[in-house]
Amino acid sequence: GENVEQHPSTLSVQEGDSAVIKCTYSDSASNYFPWYKQELGKGPQLIIDIRSNVGEKKDQRIAVTLNKTAKHFSLHITETQPEDSAVYFCAGPAGGGSEKLVFGKGTKLTVNP
Amino acid sequence: NAGVTQTPKFQVLKTGQSMTLQCAQDMNHNSMYWYRQDPGMGLRLIYYSASEGTTDKGEVPNGYNVSRLNKREFSLRLESAAPSQTSVYFCASSELLGNTEAFFGQGTRLTVV
Repeated sequence: GENVEQHPSTLSVQEGDSAVIKCTYSDSASNYFPWYKQELGKGPQLIIDIRSNVGEKKDQRIAVTLNKTAKHFSLHITETQPEDSAVYFCAGPAGGGSEKLVFGKGTKLTVNP
Repeated sequence: NAGVTQTPKFQVLKTGQSMTLQCAQDMNHNSMYWYRQDPGMGLRLIYYSASEGTTDKGEVPNGYNVSRLNKREFSLRLESAAPSQTSVYFCASSELLGNTEAFFGQGTRLTVV
C-alpha cells in the first residue's frame, strides 16, 4: 500500500503460542484500522477493526491495539490453532486527505501442530 | 443474500485481447472497489467508486477502465491485456468509503499469455 507497512511478512508459531503482527501508517488523520484474514483460494474477510477513540479491542482470542502517537496498530492472536493459518492484512489510510484504505503487503501465518 | 459475486472465476487471455470482469453486490452498499493481488505485493487498489455515478483511480490504474453501471454493479475492463496483468482480481464493496467493513468476492484468476 501507499502508506501502510506491515511486518513480518511471514510468521511461524507453535500451536498454543501467541502471534503478533504490526502495521505502521503515516497519515495521522485516519480513524479506522481493520484487519483481514485471507484463507487459501478465498477473498479477504474482516476479523476485527478498531477506531481511533479506543486503544484496544478484543474478540475472544483476537485483539487489536492502536497507538496513535506512534502511528502503529497491532493484531494479537492468543492460543493459536492450526485453523489460524492464513494470510493476514492490515489496512490504513491512503494519505493525502483521501478516505480510501490501502492494504499492507500481508503476513503469512503458519501455526504448526 | 450472496454478498459480492464476481465472474468469471478463471480466465486465460492472449496478449492484446480485451475482457470485462463483472462484479455485483446485493448489500445496498454505496462504495465498490477493484483490487489486484500479486505474490508479495498484497492487495493493490486499481479503481474505486465512492458512490453510484463516481469512479476514481487507485494505486495502479494504468491499463484498466471501470464502469459503475448502477448501485449494484461495478465492472473492470482490460482493453488490451498484457502479461503484466496476470493476477488475481478481487472486487469488494462497503457501506461507506474507507471507514466501514469491506466485503470481498471470491476473486478472478486471470492469466495473460
